[in-house]
Amino acid sequence: EAQVTQNPRYLITVTGKKLTVTCSQNMNHEYMSWYRQDPGLGLRQIYYSMNVEVTDKGDVPEGYKVSRKEKRNFPLILESPSPNQTSLYFCASRTTGAQGNTIYFGEGSWLTVV
Amino acid sequence: SQQGEEDPQALSIQEGENATMNCSYKTSINNLQWYRQNSGRGLVHLILIRSNEREKHSGRLRVTLDTSKKSSSLLITASRAADTASYFCATGSYGQNFVFGPGTRLSVLP
Repeated sequence: EAQVTQNPRYLITVTGKKLTVTCSQNMNHEYMSWYRQDPGLGLRQIYYSMNVEVTDKGDVPEGYKVSRKEKRNFPLILESPSPNQTSLYFCASRTTGAQGNTIYFGEGSWLTVV
Repeated sequence: SQQGEEDPQALSIQEGENATMNCSYKTSINNLQWYRQNSGRGLVHLILIRSNEREKHSGRLRVTLDTSKKSSSLLITASRAADTASYFCATGSYGQNFVFGPGTRLSVLP
């Protein structure tokens, strides 16, 4: 089954404690992306990756890091989380081929920073 | 990147009525997609329309695309309470980044 898997799904953490949200897809997709969703603000893109070792900033990259060492994985790293990073996070993937434009989303990760 | 912008931001209708929401974008595209999000869940792909298509149907969904006006509309006919969700458009071209608009929040009242 085609899947984008995020972990953890729910997390409460404290300010300044480094955390990583993992994302894995089983569809051999080249493109992966992270979004955050806050009430009234829709989906805002944090970082995206067009392929292994190729990453680029989205609209709200501050306070986040990513890496793309393998095609299937695209972890989101919060080096020093702050309360304004409390949000619902989504990972997504798709192929970059001509027919592969459907974007597949994970179920989301609820992150609370206190 | 290319961005779609949905309109209206929120829409409230009675069950059985039709719901129409619109998406405008700024640059040339190869295709436009609509997604649905139930509260707090991941987005789910609904329908894709290519730039050389003007209209597409899928069940109770009808999507139109006007590339001259850089706009698209999503029509949900005979809406049901279960259609209550947020709807997003995404625009892009092959090999490019996709960006989503803020979405339309649809409430279908029983």
